[in-house]
Amino acid sequence: SQKIEQNSEALNIQEGKTATLTCNYTNYSPAYLQWYRQDPGRGPVFLLLIRENEKEKRKERLKVTFDTTLKQSLFHVTASQPADSATYLCALSSYNTDKLIFGTGTRLQVFP
Amino acid sequence: DTEVTQTPKHLVMGMTNKKSLKCEQHMGHRAMYWYKQKAKKPPELMFVYSYEKLSINESVPSRFSPECPNSSLLNLHLHALQPEDSALYLCASSPRTGQGSYEQYFGPGTRLTVT
Repeated sequence: SQKIEQNSEALNIQEGKTATLTCNYTNYSPAYLQWYRQDPGRGPVFLLLIRENEKEKRKERLKVTFDTTLKQSLFHVTASQPADSATYLCALSSYNTDKLIFGTGTRLQVFP
Repeated sequence: DTEVTQTPKHLVMGMTNKKSLKCEQHMGHRAMYWYKQKAKKPPELMFVYSYEKLSINESVPSRFSPECPNSSLLNLHLHALQPEDSALYLCASSPRTGQGSYEQYFGPGTRLTVT
């Protein structure tokens, strides 16, 4: 069955450093990969979408890579700030479907 | 208006009660979703509506009954729930349907407790 795992349950880093989160998947060939941010007790908020034929996508301090050979996506937050502290979820989907499958999530904590 | 709203924010119900969760969006989105999220777990898809028709049911027990009265509204009717159904219920919408290339907009959720 499809499995989507994010590298660690929690990641603690110092303010100003780059946080790197990993999303690995098996038994699936997604056409699209999305990243969401979720704060406690709130709904997820969309951050970035990357397609299978794209290697990298950037938005402000965020960067996403997508390696379909390794079946992995990396999500980077550069110059991290305490306000970046949240749970980050990767999510995969295929062509011609509304179904989005979420990864296990990584809780990022940025310390001043 | 780029918001998905959900009511109520919190709901406590007994196992014999009947209640409904409501979701609304005015972005003209054609796909609407219900997800269930337990603590420290990712959202799990329950139902998808495409152009107001039920297109995906992820084998959800019949005690959960979705309804899409019009293109802006989505309801989830609850009846005879179990304590293990306690969770955060999230509604989402997406601009297009049948295409995985569009982001989803989530509401703030309804925190449901079944006693």
